[in-house]
Amino acid sequence: GAGVSQSPSNKVTEKGKDVELRCDPISGHTALYWYRQSLGQGLEFLIYFQGNSAPDKSGLPSDRFSAERTGGSVSTLTIQRTQQEDSAVYLCASKGSGLSEQFFGPGTRLTVL
Amino acid sequence: GENVEQHPSTLSVQEGDSAVIKCTYSDSASNYFPWYKQELGKGPQLIIDIRSNVGEKKDQRIAVTLNKTAKHFSLHITETQPEDSAVYFCAARQSGNTPLVFGKGTRLSVIA
Repeated sequence: GAGVSQSPSNKVTEKGKDVELRCDPISGHTALYWYRQSLGQGLEFLIYFQGNSAPDKSGLPSDRFSAERTGGSVSTLTIQRTQQEDSAVYLCASKGSGLSEQFFGPGTRLTVL
Repeated sequence: GENVEQHPSTLSVQEGDSAVIKCTYSDSASNYFPWYKQELGKGPQLIIDIRSNVGEKKDQRIAVTLNKTAKHFSLHITETQPEDSAVYFCAARQSGNTPLVFGKGTRLSVIA
């Protein structure tokens, strides 16, 4: 079946602009996670959604970052007033209920000029 | 919160040799420890995982060991092949849906 998909695969933007990154999780997966991977670094947790519960936003680095998940499926990560330090690969993962493995998408490479 | 340290950051081995990557974690409540392989331009892919009630797990050329007392776990790859070249990440988390905490990764190069 289809895996986790993300769009766009690459995004170049100018400092100060807003960007939206999209994640389509595996159908039926109840948990959805956003991570950020900076060059040469590990994956840094940003936010996660579990079913209809309030999202865990504890990893968001600033109030310029927000995310929503509509209908328990597709998620959008929004970064307002982008800064050069926001440049990174943004990875989305989903996980089925009662399962352990998180399945990752291919990521969106964001470059802020 | 949990903190995961991973060593080495880079590793080069000759084809056919073994590779070992080590991680330590800080939170004794963590009980799930996956290893991910990330190839260039792709998302991480799970290659093996272990739970805290097991000391060792093996899948063909890949094995993971866990020492709960010392809070460290290791990935062992035997008979390495060029296609094993990638970045490997260890991670840890408590049970349920809590997010994974990742190490900074090890870039493995297998030299033919």
